[in-house]
Amino acid sequence: DTGVSQDPRHKITKRGQNVTFRCDPISEHNRLYWYRQTLGQGPEFLTYFQNEAQLEKSRLLSDRFSAERPKGSFSTLEIQRTEQGDSAMYLCASSLTRGGGLVYEQYFGPGTRLTVT
Amino acid sequence: AQSVTQLDSHVSVSEGTPVLLRCNYSSSYSPSLFWYVQHPNKGLQLLLKYTSAATLVKGINGFEAEFKKSETSFHLTKPSAHMSDAAEYFCVVSGTNSGYSTLTFGKGTMLLVSP
Repeated sequence: DTGVSQDPRHKITKRGQNVTFRCDPISEHNRLYWYRQTLGQGPEFLTYFQNEAQLEKSRLLSDRFSAERPKGSFSTLEIQRTEQGDSAMYLCASSLTRGGGLVYEQYFGPGTRLTVT
Repeated sequence: AQSVTQLDSHVSVSEGTPVLLRCNYSSSYSPSLFWYVQHPNKGLQLLLKYTSAATLVKGINGFEAEFKKSETSFHLTKPSAHMSDAAEYFCVVSGTNSGYSTLTFGKGTMLLVSP
């Protein structure tokens, strides 16, 4: 088990460009989460998937953001027409959830740091 | 709705002295509570979790936390700080709503450890 991995680790882009990030969860985990962390703040929830279904989206996830998990394994987060306010660390996490209201801990990846110039 | 307030943005201690990081929570549901640690350039790591079993929870690296429902608190403690404990610590609450669960993070407390 190699943990949650994210690619790239760093991305610098110009305002208006599109960017895509990838997350590979721990292999047997059925839930995958995306968070955003800005300087001096804790991570903020963006969206999560159970298998391939996107079950919840935060109001932080504007129309320029889209996330997919096509085969219930890896996930991508795309930001279209980037703005300087999108500069942040984007974190991915995964967990194994068997239902019944039980909360299982989330395991986090190292994050992708996005800088929009 | 759920929220977390970490009462100190920075805490400074000397190596070998006790650590106390304070956290208050608010939740509409029976909460699950966590402490995560974030070292520079590393991912978030789970220190410990409370999920309605024992109110005193022991975690990794000698940390523990006590759930106090009457005070809505979940403070993190360690008897003796080590230089390697210097990092940012996040108190986190999770609630279930219709079977779904998301994490709400506090703003973090930076722990500084001096020799």
